[in-house]
Formats: sequence, structure tokens, C-alpha cells
Amino acid sequence: QSALTQPASVSGSPGQSITISCTGTSSDVGTYNLVSWYQQHPGKAPKLMISEGSKRPSGLSNRFSGSQSGNTASLTISGLQAEDEADYYCCSYAGSSTWVFGGGTKLTVL
Amino acid sequence: QVHLVQSGTEVKKPGSSVKVSCQASGNTFNSYAISWVRQAPGQGLEWMGGIIPIFGTTNYAQNFQGRVTITTDESTSTAYMELSSLRSEDTAVYYCASLVSTVITHAFDIWGQGTLVTVSS
Repeated sequence: QSALTQPASVSGSPGQSITISCTGTSSDVGTYNLVSWYQQHPGKAPKLMISEGSKRPSGLSNRFSGSQSGNTASLTISGLQAEDEADYYCCSYAGSSTWVFGGGTKLTVL
Repeated sequence: QVHLVQSGTEVKKPGSSVKVSCQASGNTFNSYAISWVRQAPGQGLEWMGGIIPIFGTTNYAQNFQGRVTITTDESTSTAYMELSSLRSEDTAVYYCASLVSTVITHAFDIWGQGTLVTVSS
């Protein structure tokens, strides 16, 4: 199981939109369409933002959206706010009750 | 509402083992699969393995096969992760995580607070 590939960093100004990509293989992202996304602030536990590629947990801002095509999933954050600055991780189901995470992307709000 | 509460910081010698606990409170424990995820300093998240208490089945990441053992004690609603043959590279924060929502699948919507394990001679 190799880690999913994410850009190391992305940045955007308040109010703008950014997209973080997550590339896997036909053994994980491409087969299962079950990618989740997590936000992690420094020193904190990860927080679920998107599940099953595009589902938002109850109460989560609709500024966060997810999509998937083939072996690549994407997280889009619109209307960037200062509090969105954090690390973001994708995670894919890889079959047989196993999981694989991406390397993480540091989002900087300029 | 379910909460996951983990045991405290550990300092271990190389070659030894560590056992981290994760106690669930607030709901039925054995309905939920529990995974363990670690994060080395300044690094990303890494799935280590998981257990489905109701079935007693475990699955481990290839990188940890043979070194990690995940168990549960349903009487205390506690999951355990034991990692053996520790080396300095195992220094990390270890998280337990689970899914309690009934409307989403295949994700981790609750996390423990994390347990720092430091491996040093």
C-alpha cells in the first residue's frame, strides 16, 4: 500500500477557492470511490470534512466539497477563511478493511 | 455521543513494546470498527490497522505486519494497540479512530485525543 499523492502545499487569499488533489491507483481510489478528507490544525486530532468522495458530515460548512474522477479525488474549499488554514489529508478505502492516507497538504491562507 | 479517550504519554527504550489504550464512552462499543493511525513528528497520517469488535477480526497495514497487535476488551469498551520491537522511527502520536454515524460510511468521524510515544535510549 503506497501513500496517496497530494501536493505538499497550496495557498489562496481570503474569499478565493482552492482545490487539493489526491491521486491513488486502481487498487484504492479508482476502485472504491470511498475517499474521505480530514482537516488537521496543529496539535489537534484530524476532523472529518468529506466522506465517500463528496458527502459532508452534518453541520459542516457547504464551502467544503469533494469530487472524484478515476484515480483522483479532489477537495475544494470556496470562500477561503483564515480558519481554513490547516493540513488536509485524503484517505481511501483499499479493500479488505484496510485504508491508505495521502501525504497531506498544507493550506496557507494569505 | 461517543467519545474516544486514549491513555497517556509513553517513553520507551528501543527494542521494547508499547501498549496504547482507547476507551469509548457514550454508546455501544462493539458496533464500531476501531482503527489506529499514527503521525510521526512533522509527518503525515499513516493507517496502521483496525479491528471490528463484533466480529473479532483484525487487519493490519503491510508496513506493520508482525509488529502490531490490535485487541479489544468489550467489558470496558476499550481497544488496545500494541507495537513491538520499537525503534526511534516509531516516535509518533498514535490516534484511535472510528465511525459512529449511521448516514455515512467508510470514514473516521471520531478520533481519540492522541497518545505521544517517544522511543529513545
